[in-house]
Amino acid sequence: QVQLQESGPGLVKPSGTLSLTCAVSGGSIGNSHWWSWVRQSPGKGLEWIGEVHHSGRTNYNPSLKSRVTISVDESKNQFSLKLKSVTAADTAWYYCTRGDIVPIVFFNSYAMDVWGRGTTVIVSS
Amino acid sequence: SSELTQDPPVSVALGQTVRITCQGDSLRNYYATWYQQKPGQAPVVVISGKNDRPSGIPDRFSGSTSGDTASLTISGAQAEDEADYYCNSRDSTGNPSVVFGGGTKLTVL
Repeated sequence: QVQLQESGPGLVKPSGTLSLTCAVSGGSIGNSHWWSWVRQSPGKGLEWIGEVHHSGRTNYNPSLKSRVTISVDESKNQFSLKLKSVTAADTAWYYCTRGDIVPIVFFNSYAMDVWGRGTTVIVSS
Repeated sequence: SSELTQDPPVSVALGQTVRITCQGDSLRNYYATWYQQKPGQAPVVVISGKNDRPSGIPDRFSGSTSGDTASLTISGAQAEDEADYYCNSRDSTGNPSVVFGGGTKLTVL
């Protein structure tokens, strides 16, 4: 059973760079999945940050695209998030997830079926 | 990019049926996936695909789609169903992206 574990500093200074890593265990990151970062600000909803495929292809939330880099390291079976120029608005609980696209007749389905437990990141001086 | 719009907070009497909706253009190409999130926990999938429940999700949860609107129905709501519910899909127009609805808080009375 695949499990995800986020790690990284819990405190980042304003204007700094937030860096998180998601370790994948119980399965290979090289399988055909989309690996995402999702965040949730205190008391707010879920916000998709971006995703990476094991091939290196990435897609980002347009609202964060200028500040985000997501990469994959197959040798370590992990993927990472870098968010630069952070402000207090980036304070949130950050989750890594595994997603799959499944074609169904004339439709498609996309689901994030595995989630890490999440890690909190506070942006403060 | 596309957006998904969900209902405001909803309440349901114990044992009654409640429906939560999610509306957005992306749902014309992708089925909505529904997630349940309880306080302090990561979201979990309750419905995906046309109407598929992962192992362990009670059969009182069901999903449907009509046009650009997806619905999550809980038939015979239980106290443990009190949670935030989020819909999610992909937007395949332009640059691919993933979208979440704003969430609906369900209270079981």
